[in-house]
Amino acid sequence: SQLAEENSWALSVHEGESVTVNCSYKTSITALQWYRQKSGKGPAQLILIRSNEREKRNGRLRATLDTSSQSSSLSITATRCEDTAVYFCATENNNAGAKLTFGGGTRLTVRP
Amino acid sequence: AQTIHQWPVAEIKAVGSPLSLGCTIKGKSSPNLYWYWQATGGTLQQLFYSITVGQVESVVQLNLSASRPKDDQFILSTEKLLLSHSGFYLCAWSPQGAAEVFFGKGTRLTVV
Repeated sequence: SQLAEENSWALSVHEGESVTVNCSYKTSITALQWYRQKSGKGPAQLILIRSNEREKRNGRLRATLDTSSQSSSLSITATRCEDTAVYFCATENNNAGAKLTFGGGTRLTVRP
Repeated sequence: AQTIHQWPVAEIKAVGSPLSLGCTIKGKSSPNLYWYWQATGGTLQQLFYSITVGQVESVVQLNLSASRPKDDQFILSTEKLLLSHSGFYLCAWSPQGAAEVFFGKGTRLTVV
């Protein structure tokens, strides 16, 4: 079975700084997704990066995917207090989205 | 626009009592539907998924069951709650053949 896991349990930065969350996985995938979950809410997708892509951007967010090392990163530039959340990577090994495996999450705190 | 509605928002139930959680998706026909469970501070564990009415696949055995009586409805239930069932239950959907998963606001279940 797949295992997706973020490499840090918690990160803390000051507002305006950049931060990177890393994720590693164990088996072949068709895509990797990054989600953000704010306290008491359901997760929301940030970026989907397919296995044939190396980088994807969404505003202040940039995701990379390295299938040879089975790893991904999510970078956030110019962080804001509202970026405070838990960030999950999630992998899938088919294109139908029916089986999504989430990592344990990285809790990011952005301090004023 | 598609909307996902989960009910109830929160429940406090006694060990051994039954449970029924519901989820409806409006504005999208034939979605893939999912139930996820999240322990406090933990990762998201997929419990069930369904790609069509009347068809539900179990991913993890947690003494829970799921049913899809209508195209837009997904029900999670058990006849006998355990303490370990406490947590945050999230319903989610994705378009057929697509990877992005959209989550509901979740139900906070406390078993006492």
